[in-house]
Amino acid sequence: SQQGEEDPQALSIQEGENATMNCSYKTSINNLQWYRQNSGRGLVHLILIRSNEREKHSGRLRVTLDTSKKSSSLLITASRAADTASYFCATKNSGNTPLVFGKGTRLSVIA
Amino acid sequence: GAVVSQHPSRVICKSGTSVKIECRSLDFQATTMFWYRQFPKQSLMLMATSNEGSKATYEQGVEKDKFLINHASLTLSTLTVTSAHPEDSSFYICSARSRGGGSGTDTQYFGPGTRLTVL
Repeated sequence: SQQGEEDPQALSIQEGENATMNCSYKTSINNLQWYRQNSGRGLVHLILIRSNEREKHSGRLRVTLDTSKKSSSLLITASRAADTASYFCATKNSGNTPLVFGKGTRLSVIA
Repeated sequence: GAVVSQHPSRVICKSGTSVKIECRSLDFQATTMFWYRQFPKQSLMLMATSNEGSKATYEQGVEKDKFLINHASLTLSTLTVTSAHPEDSSFYICSARSRGGGSGTDTQYFGPGTRLTVL
């Protein structure tokens, strides 16, 4: 069942600007992950943040997690045209449960 | 990192035929594999969870007789779309989770997807 909700659904920015995408979820989680998907292609794992973490960085990516608000954000700094893709958050509850994906944000970076 | 492959990457079939999609974990043993479906411009929806050697668990609304899942070994799971119809056209993505944690206990490794088009 769908759990995450991302906003915005679509985002268009100029190259060099920062892009922020948000994700909200409904139940308790063990961790939250962000994925990227180019049109018609498979998923690329970007970053994982555990429920006891509040912020994580990886290159130009910055992820925050607020478990009290059940929300996460993904910030891409200094965006590039190659960052154009759909970005999904996915949550994992405890145990052997599968990842549940949000609806995604379609990011367009205009050169 | 762990690699998951899918075959075929793209398939076009006639309405009423059956199509089999294979998902393989190439460098690790996957006790659990997941099958997702993704319609255009939408998110991934979990269809079923399959554990090696046992019957798959299907999500609500997914017909188990239409989407046959077999997880016969620790490296292979198959999804067969039986009597396919145009509404079954979609992007099917498998995911595998390694036994014993592997290189990332909490990481599901995803295949590249299979695009099914039913005419």
